[in-house]
Amino acid sequence: DAKTTQPPSMDCAEGRAANLPCNHSTISGNEYVYWYRQIHSQGPQYIIHGLKNNETNEMASLIITEDRKSSTLILPHATLRDTAVYYCIVRVGSGYSTLTFGKGTMLLVSP
Amino acid sequence: SQTIHQWPATLVQPVGSPLSLECTVEGTSNPNLYWYRQAAGRGLQLLFYSVGIGQISSEVPQNLSASRPQDRQFILSSKKLLLSDSGFYLCAWSETGGINYGYTFGSGTRLTVV
Repeated sequence: DAKTTQPPSMDCAEGRAANLPCNHSTISGNEYVYWYRQIHSQGPQYIIHGLKNNETNEMASLIITEDRKSSTLILPHATLRDTAVYYCIVRVGSGYSTLTFGKGTMLLVSP
Repeated sequence: SQTIHQWPATLVQPVGSPLSLECTVEGTSNPNLYWYRQAAGRGLQLLFYSVGIGQISSEVPQNLSASRPQDRQFILSSKKLLLSDSGFYLCAWSETGGINYGYTFGSGTRLTVV
């Protein structure tokens, strides 16, 4: 699976949009971009995934560049409960491909 | 709907004692199952995964073993715990084949070896 690079930490004011970047310059054509988050002392939670088109769900939006070498996870209106470590993961979208977590980005949402 | 159960939530065990952590999944059949560990201040490390009954793949050689005696049951074991086995253990499941919409994780077991 391709390697990803994320900033170690970011800050965001409550109510503002949180934009979390991820670089994956070695991504292959059959690899998807997945985002998970882990709130302290809990298991990771799936947020969103995409291949090449932008995606949106009730939690977040995923913007993937045209060359697919980077992506941005957007939390449109961050709340204090969004404080967590956010993981960007690139992997083949099949059931036999395991999920490898890096160090992620620690997002701190402040009042 | 699918649910994943993992227990116990916390566990304190002496060095050299055995370990058995159990994970069960409901509401699905033939899931892929995974055991991860997160040591204090470190990232999530995949320990084992299973694509079917009796089929176990080990990612990291260590003091632990895994078994899948039933379709929706995954067990993590150790015969003799080491201090380095302390950590947050997470079980997860995913659907088999096709486009994978991601893993669903259990609530975890925090193991302290003393």
